[in-house]
Amino acid sequence: EAGVAQSPRYKIIEKRQSVAFWCNPISGHATLYWYQQILGQGPKLLIQFQNNGVVDDSQLPKDRFSAERLKGVDSTLKIQPAKLEDSAVYLCASSLDPELSNEQFFGPGTRLTVL
Amino acid sequence: GQSLEQPSEVTAVEGAIVQINCTYQTSGFYGLSWYQQHDGGAPTFLSYNALDGLEETGRFSSFLSRSDSYGYLLLQELQMKDSASYFCASRRGGGKLIFGQGTELSVKP
Repeated sequence: EAGVAQSPRYKIIEKRQSVAFWCNPISGHATLYWYQQILGQGPKLLIQFQNNGVVDDSQLPKDRFSAERLKGVDSTLKIQPAKLEDSAVYLCASSLDPELSNEQFFGPGTRLTVL
Repeated sequence: GQSLEQPSEVTAVEGAIVQINCTYQTSGFYGLSWYQQHDGGAPTFLSYNALDGLEETGRFSSFLSRSDSYGYLLLQELQMKDSASYFCASRRGGGKLIFGQGTELSVKP
């Protein structure tokens, strides 16, 4: 079974530039999550989708971050404009319906450096 | 509150047993998950406890006491490959996870 795919793996940008990350979840997983993991900290949930609807985006800085999951499969996370403090690893995870499973499967992440 | 508390680092020797503790805030709490993350890698699921008691999976066990808002991960017969960061995470409604800051485990020969 293929795992969660993410691209790019690494990205370096200047502050105030825009950047987008892509995620392809495990086939059949209805729930998709985007996390931000700053060095030395645990992952912090940014947004959770159930199929193509948003379940929770309470921690998403909506003035600069946006995410979508068209057709309930792939998802993109965008930052516009980026700030220095956005330097982190952005992790995508997917799971079966949370009512059926407690396990989230994580992708390898995109390491973002903002200069 | 949403915070979880766990030690920042633990060191142990090969073959030993180590326990990583985690305390959590009870608001909206459904259960406690544990994830392992090697340097530069993705977090991987280890265990989930919704009810009080011990869950055993091979060399790893996880324990939960809801009355004490406390859980732990127990790693037995430590191996070098167990050197990694271990995160406890509070599961909330809808499957949302709130992660702790992580415990870095170093296994020495």
